Amino acid sequence: QKEVEQNSGPLSVPEGAIASLNCTYSDRGSQSFFWYRQYSGKSPELIMFIYSNGDKEDGRFTAQLNKASQYVSLLIRDSQPSDSATYLCAATAGGTSYGKLTFGQGTILTVHP
Amino acid sequence: DAGVTQSPTHLIKTRGQQVTLRCSPKSGHDTVSWYQQALGQGPQFIFQYYEEEERQRGNFPDRFSGHQFPNYSSELNVNALLLGDSALYLCASSLWGLEAFFGQGTRLTVV
Repeated sequence: QKEVEQNSGPLSVPEGAIASLNCTYSDRGSQSFFWYRQYSGKSPELIMFIYSNGDKEDGRFTAQLNKASQYVSLLIRDSQPSDSATYLCAATAGGTSYGKLTFGQGTILTVHP
Repeated sequence: DAGVTQSPTHLIKTRGQQVTLRCSPKSGHDTVSWYQQALGQGPQFIFQYYEEEERQRGNFPDRFSGHQFPNYSSELNVNALLLGDSALYLCASSLWGLEAFFGQGTRLTVV
């Protein structure tokens, strides 16, 4: 079992729709969770992070964390073609593993006009 | 404010050679981590440097080594290159290991 798994893609949504990206993790010691966006041929760009149960909103993006279910999600409202990219979920644990990011394999999102 | 910068951006090496990649962290950041990203995969953690010491290491062989300098910049060295080392190498900097920002990466091709 992979430590961080993302829903298999690719995911295709129409412009203006809500894109839902999901991620599960196996290490219950994971404390913080990050969503990165990566355009083809570029490096990952931090979108947002979350460490408390519940929702965290930043503009069109909402991250959701459920530690009991070991589940993290990212919602993108009013999706735009410029949101088309690979979305990476990452987790970091505490203690001696603090700051080490464990990534999922990524979900490719395509927003079509 | 300059972000994380890496050099070079592209590199082609022959099997068996050695390579050094460089990273300058974002201003104010003290922790540098290195990741390897193969095509179609998520980044894999190589190691992390803090206060010039390797603080933690991922599942990579000893051929991968690194260094952090007093100004927090860092180098990644890979010896005895294999074809499988071809990947995008990413440097990420952070303050105390918190939210990490990535450089543009170095695309290494081993032929």
